[in-house]
Amino acid sequence: EAGVAQSPRYKIIEKRQSVAFWCNPISGHATLYWYQQILGQGPKLLIQFQNNGVVDDSQLPKDRFSAERLKGVDSTLKIQPAKLEDSAVYLCASSLDHDIQETQYFGPGTRLLVL
Amino acid sequence: GQSLEQPSEVTAVEGAIVQINCTYQTSGFYGLSWYQQHDGGAPTFLSYNALDGLEETGRFSSFLSRSDSYGYLLLQELQMKDSASYFCAPVPPYNQGGKLIFGQGTELSVKP
Repeated sequence: EAGVAQSPRYKIIEKRQSVAFWCNPISGHATLYWYQQILGQGPKLLIQFQNNGVVDDSQLPKDRFSAERLKGVDSTLKIQPAKLEDSAVYLCASSLDHDIQETQYFGPGTRLLVL
Repeated sequence: GQSLEQPSEVTAVEGAIVQINCTYQTSGFYGLSWYQQHDGGAPTFLSYNALDGLEETGRFSSFLSRSDSYGYLLLQELQMKDSASYFCAPVPPYNQGGKLIFGQGTELSVKP
């Protein structure tokens, strides 16, 4: 079974630039999550999708971050414009369904450095 | 409010047994998950406790006491490859639509 795929693996940009990350969850997984993990901290949920609908985006900085999952499969997360404090690893995860959150499968992450 | 406490660092030697404790306070609770994350890697699901008691999976066991809002992860026969960060994550009830909460994690260092 293929795991969660993410790209790119690494990205370096300057502040005020834009960046986009892509995620393809495990086939058949209805729920998709985007997390931000700052060095030395645990993952923080940014947004959760159930199929192509948003379940929770309470911690997404909506003035600069946006995410979509148009066909209920893969998803993109965008930052525009980026700030220095956005330097982090952006993890995508998926689970079979919203009520099986305890078992989430994570992708390798995208390491973002904002200069 | 919600809070989650784990020790920030634990050090142990190969072959030993180590216990990583987790205390939590959440507005709703369904169970407790544990994840492992190697340096530079992605978090990997280890175990899940929905009921009180001990769940064993090979060298790893996880314990939950709902009445004490407490759980722990027990790692036996430690190996160098167990050096990683370990996160406990309370799981919210489905009908509360909540989210998995990850704390700061515990960094385990296994020495030869």
